[in-house]
Amino acid sequence: QVQLVQSGAEVKKPGASVKVSCKASAYTFSSHDFNWVRQATGQGLEWMGWMNPNNGNTGYAQKFQGRVTMTRNTSISTVYMELNSLRSEDTAVYYCARCGGQYNDYLPHWGQGSLVTVSS
Amino acid sequence: QSVLTQPPSVSAAPGQKVTISCSGGRSNIGNDYVTWYQQFPGTAPKLLIYDNSERPSGIPDRFSGSKSGTAATLGITGVQTGDEADYYCSAWDSSLSARVFGGGTKLTVL
Repeated sequence: QVQLVQSGAEVKKPGASVKVSCKASAYTFSSHDFNWVRQATGQGLEWMGWMNPNNGNTGYAQKFQGRVTMTRNTSISTVYMELNSLRSEDTAVYYCARCGGQYNDYLPHWGQGSLVTVSS
Repeated sequence: QSVLTQPPSVSAAPGQKVTISCSGGRSNIGNDYVTWYQQFPGTAPKLLIYDNSERPSGIPDRFSGSKSGTAATLGITGVQTGDEADYYCSAWDSSLSARVFGGGTKLTVL
């Protein structure tokens, strides 16, 4: 059974960076893309970007271009999302999700979420 | 402002049928499959419908999806109190090169 386990909650000051990890298990790590999605308290889902764990290719939502970096470590089946220049509006739960389908067009597997709080 | 438009809330009595609409454009719903997710408070979203109308294993057939042009609909028959959750539609937007979500619809079972 596919499992995605994310790193724990973080508290950061404005201007700092945060790096969230997502460890995958129970399937071939390189087989499907990953997406990162965030959700502020009481708000909807916001897509941040995708990463191909096989070749490291990425694509980011325009809103986060220049501020987000998605990477992976294939030896430990883990993907990472780093967000820089944090501001209070970045306070949210960050989810990693593994794609499904032939064209990676939906998200059947989700991590448990990682709460990032940005506060001075 | 979300790229895909959903009603903020819908309600239904137990046992009734409810539909949730999702309106988009030619670059997203009109050009790609629609996916629906269900989310309970404090938990990660769960895949409910993919490829417009397909249900993953374990999703009851009370849940259905359809798409016509640039709009999609999630249907739930025989609504139960356990269906109270937030529902999100999603699609790939070829103009934005981004996955887009609707703003979410809160289902209340009266």
